Amino acid sequence: QSALTQPASVSGSPGQSITISCTGASSDVGNYNLVSWYQQHPGKAPKLMIYEVTKRPSGISNRFSGSKSGNAASLTISGLQAEDEADYYCCSYAGRTTVVFGGGTKLTVL
Amino acid sequence: QVQLQESGPGLVKPSETLSLTCTVSGGSMSSYYWSWIRQAPGKGLEWIGYIYYSGGTSYNASLESRVTISVDTSKNQFSLKLSSVTAADTAVYYCARDTVNHRGFDYWGQGTLVTVFS
Repeated sequence: QSALTQPASVSGSPGQSITISCTGASSDVGNYNLVSWYQQHPGKAPKLMIYEVTKRPSGISNRFSGSKSGNAASLTISGLQAEDEADYYCCSYAGRTTVVFGGGTKLTVL
Repeated sequence: QVQLQESGPGLVKPSETLSLTCTVSGGSMSSYYWSWIRQAPGKGLEWIGYIYYSGGTSYNASLESRVTISVDTSKNQFSLKLSSVTAADTAVYYCARDTVNHRGFDYWGQGTLVTVFS
């Protein structure tokens, strides 16, 4: 199980849109529509933002959206707000009841 | 509202066994997967393993030889044991809930810091 690949950091100005990529393999991201995304503020537990590639849990803003193409998934945040500044992690089911996380991306709102 | 709470020693000596318990409240453990996930200081999330409410387990291959996860549904608890710890096992340990079809970890504990220190 190799960790999914995410950019170490991304940044954007308030109101802009940003996209965080998550690259895996045909054995995980490419084989299952079971990619989830988590937001983590410093000192806090991760929070589920997207599940099953594109779905938002109740209470999550529609500014957050997910997609997938081949072995890569993406999280897009539109209308950036200061409170979106956090670390973001992708996660994919990898078969045989295992999952793998990405290395995480630090989002800075300029 | 489902809540998860980790408990256990915050300090463990090298070569000893780390033991943590997660207590689930506000809901049943049935029909869910329950997981341990850790985060070393300044690092990313690392999945440790799953236990299904009925007792089936799966582990991260990189930790499998040292990990045991067990469940006690009568107490609404599941536990982690990690043997032969080293400084590399110092991390915040989270417990979390996943659905039966692995949609995602929807509930998390607050996390507990375990330091391996002699």
